[in-house]
Amino acid sequence: QQQVKQSPQSLIVQKGGISIINCAYENTAFDYFPWYQQFPGKGPALLIAIRPDVSEKKEGRFTISFNKSAKQFSLHIMDSQPGDSATYFCAANSGTYKYIFGTGTRLKVLA
Amino acid sequence: DARVTQTPRHKVTEMGQEVTMRCQPILGHNTVFWYRQTMMQGLELLAYFRNRAPLDDSGMPKDRFSAEMPDATLATLKIQPSEPRDSAVYFCASGWGGGSGELFFGEGSRLTVL
Repeated sequence: QQQVKQSPQSLIVQKGGISIINCAYENTAFDYFPWYQQFPGKGPALLIAIRPDVSEKKEGRFTISFNKSAKQFSLHIMDSQPGDSATYFCAANSGTYKYIFGTGTRLKVLA
Repeated sequence: DARVTQTPRHKVTEMGQEVTMRCQPILGHNTVFWYRQTMMQGLELLAYFRNRAPLDDSGMPKDRFSAEMPDATLATLKIQPSEPRDSAVYFCASGWGGGSGELFFGEGSRLTVL
């Protein structure tokens, strides 16, 4: 019940395309859902986050869509760029220190 | 530019040797986390400190791993003796509050145990 299932494991997208990464959870106590972006040789960095009182949050080309009833949330990257090539982790938190991370999605955007 | 600093960035050692990784959290942050990243397991929480007190180390192999925070500017993760299965990237992260909120990760320490 503590898991966050992330898919796909890897994703290849053409420049200008839309990248979509999905995550699903079981624990209804989760109330904070961040996405972290990790470039090779670097640590993860917070990209965007959402709380379940809204169904969508947009920051520039990055959008989180949240479906509370389905217990799913997804990251959409519009107009994907080669500089977006990185590993993306979804995560969930229930107001404690314990973040449950997904297993990561390696995104490659082709020039 | 506040950031979490980790040393060493890379470490290659022989099986059985002691390994110590160090982390300087962002000044003012009161929570420190140690994570291990592997291809198979993703990001695993090893230890958690709040206000320098160790509150959770359930993710660590107790017989060989230890984590301490001797002062507010230094957190350490020690492996003794090291084993090949410990090969991974170890991340330190810091934050504020103790509950949910942004984690600030260091660049990691890549450990290879031969």
